[in-house]
Amino acid sequence: DAGITQSPRYKITETGRQVTLMCHQTWSHSYMFWYRQDLGHGLRLIYYSAAADITDKGEVPDGYVVSRSKTENFPLTLESATRSQTSVYFCASSLAGGLNNEQFFGPGTRLTVL
Amino acid sequence: AQSVTQPDIHITVSEGASLELRCNYSYGATPYLFWYVQSPGQGLQLLLKYFSGDTLVQGIKGFEAEFKRSQSSFNLRKPSVHWSDAAEYFCGFNTNAGKSTFGDGTTLTVKP
Repeated sequence: DAGITQSPRYKITETGRQVTLMCHQTWSHSYMFWYRQDLGHGLRLIYYSAAADITDKGEVPDGYVVSRSKTENFPLTLESATRSQTSVYFCASSLAGGLNNEQFFGPGTRLTVL
Repeated sequence: AQSVTQPDIHITVSEGASLELRCNYSYGATPYLFWYVQSPGQGLQLLLKYFSGDTLVQGIKGFEAEFKRSQSSFNLRKPSVHWSDAAEYFCGFNTNAGKSTFGDGTTLTVKP
C-alpha cells in the first residue's frame, strides 16, 4: 500500500522556468491539498480539490496552477518560478471533507529556485 | 478571524521530563481540533483529535491533549519525553469547507 507519494523529492530550478510537482494517492480519497511550508509561517494552503475536476484556491494561490483530471493525481505547477517560491511543498489527502477529515501527508518536495 | 496560535516557537526539555505545548484558537463555533507531528525530513502524522465528548483526549505515542473552551485552548502534553519525540508539532482545526488551518508550529528539542 503506497499511500501518498510525491515526486520529485528534491528539485532545483531557475527563475522563470516552469516546474510541476506530482502527487499521487492510492486510497481513492476525495479531497487533496497542496501546502507550502516556510520558516515562521507553518503550513499554508495553496490549492485544494474536493473531487476530480473540482479545485479551489487556498490562502496563497498566486503563481500556482493545479489540475485534477483523475482522483488519484493532483499535480501542482509553478508556471514561472520565482525565488519566493523556494519552499517545502506538501501534498495531503483526506477521505472526505467536513469537520471529521483526517489529512494524510506525503513526504514533501523541497524546491529551490535560483 | 479564524486562526491558530502556538505561542512557543521552540521548546527544549530534558529526556524524561514532562512536556506541555500550548495552542490557542480563534473560531466562530466549536472547532474540530488536532495535533500533528512532523519528524525531521518527514511529512505530518496525526497525533490526536478532538470534536466533542471528553475534553481530555489520548493520542498516539503517549500524548494527550485537553480542550478548554473557556480558554480557547488545546494544549498537548506528555508526562515523560523520549529523545525520539524531538520534532515539530502543529496544532490546528478543520472547517466545514473541508480545509484545515494550522498554527506556525513548535519545534521540540530533547536534551539527553
